[in-house]
Amino acid sequence: SQTIHQWPATLVQPVGSPLSLECTVEGTSNPNLYWYRQAAGRGLQLLFYSVGIGQISSEVPQNLSASRPQDRQFILSSKKLLLSDSGFYLCAWRGSGGLSRHEQFFGPGTRLTVL
Amino acid sequence: AQSVAQPEDQVNVAEGNPLTVKCTYSVSGNPYLFWYVQYPNRGLQFLLKYITGDNLVKGSYGFEAEFNKSQTSFHLKKPSALVSDSALYFCAVREGNKLVFGAGTILRVKS
Repeated sequence: SQTIHQWPATLVQPVGSPLSLECTVEGTSNPNLYWYRQAAGRGLQLLFYSVGIGQISSEVPQNLSASRPQDRQFILSSKKLLLSDSGFYLCAWRGSGGLSRHEQFFGPGTRLTVL
Repeated sequence: AQSVAQPEDQVNVAEGNPLTVKCTYSVSGNPYLFWYVQYPNRGLQFLLKYITGDNLVKGSYGFEAEFNKSQTSFHLKKPSALVSDSALYFCAVREGNKLVFGAGTILRVKS
C-alpha cells in the first residue's frame, strides 16, 4: 500500500533563517506531487506541484521554492523565512494511473512557526 | 476555471440527527468532485468522489454525497451524526493536474 511521509512534524524557526521540508511517498511510482499551505486552520493554498523529476509548477510567486530530486521525493525550501511563512504545510500525491488516479492523498503535515 | 463553493462556514447538528454539508460547483464539462475531512493538526483524509455513474456516492465512515447536475451541487450527507464527526470538511473539483478546494465548512456535532 502507499504511504506518504512528511518531516519534521513541527518546526520553529527565526525570521531570516533557511527552510527545508521534505516529503516522500512509498508504494507508487511516478506520482504527481503537491505542496499546500494552510493558514489559520482553514483554506488551502496550492504552492507547487510536480508531474515528474525536475518538473516544478509554481502556483503563487512567493518566498518559497520546491524541488523534486527523485521520483518520490518533494522538497519545499526557503533561503530566508518571513513571518508570513508560518502555517501548516501539507504534501500530497496523486497516482498516474489506476482507480486512484483522480484523488489526492495527503501527508500528516508540518506545523511551521516563524518567530 | 473550475470552482466550488461551500456556503456555510459552520454547521451545527445534534448527535443522532442527519447532517448535510453543502457544496456547489461551477465547471466547464463533466465535473470530478471530491470530499475530504480534516481533524485538528492532521492532514486531509479522502472521503469520497464522483467521477461518473450513480449520482449517489458512498464513502468512508458512513458518509455519502449526491451529485445533482441540475442544481450543480454535491452535498455531503450522513443519516446519523456522531460527535466524532466534528471536523473541517472540504469539497474539491479537479482541474487538470490540480484540485480546486472550497473554503471549508466546520462541522460541530453536539451530544
